[in-house]
Amino acid sequence: KNEVEQSPQNLTAQEGEFITINCSYSVGISALHWLQQHPGGGIVSLFMLSSGKKKHGRLIATINIQEKHSSLHITASHPRDSAVYICAVLPTSGTYKYIFGTGTRLKVLA
Amino acid sequence: DAGVTQSPTHLIKTRGQHVTLRCSPISGHKSVSWYQQVLGQGPQFIFQYYEKEERGRGNFPDRFSARQFPNYSSELNVNALLLGDSALYLCASRQAGGLYNSPLHFGNGTRLTVT
Repeated sequence: KNEVEQSPQNLTAQEGEFITINCSYSVGISALHWLQQHPGGGIVSLFMLSSGKKKHGRLIATINIQEKHSSLHITASHPRDSAVYICAVLPTSGTYKYIFGTGTRLKVLA
Repeated sequence: DAGVTQSPTHLIKTRGQHVTLRCSPISGHKSVSWYQQVLGQGPQFIFQYYEKEERGRGNFPDRFSARQFPNYSSELNVNALLLGDSALYLCASRQAGGLYNSPLHFGNGTRLTVT
């Protein structure tokens, strides 16, 4: 079992829909990142969380440390949101070894 | 300000050859990390360097090595290439501040194909 699990693996939505991507992890963490990867490979860091909730534009990220779970929400989705969304955690093991989920491939249709 | 830059963008090598990938961090960033991303998978941590010292290593064979230079740029070297080394290699940098309060900034990656 992977230490970081994301669901769903693939998601197709209509423009304007509210989208939720989930990340569950099995290790103690110091921080969790949500990343966006477009075709071609470039990765953009969307959020870094250690507790609570963060919002940036139409994106909202939440984390529940006790339940070892985080969600990324996209409101009023748009075709330009189509990308792979990756959850990455930094374990509290004292190293810099980030552990990544396999990603959620999102396609938003116009 | 320039972001994290990686070179080359694409590379084709044959089995058994050696490859060197390069990364220049964002100005002022002293920490560089390397990741391997096989098609359809999430990135896998390879190395972390901070202030020119190795601070972490993932589960990769000794064929993989890296170093960080005085200007904080970094090289990833892979010897005796195998077909399974074909992947996107990503570099990320972060500020020298606290580990837990500085986000990662990724380059666009080097896509390595081993034939």
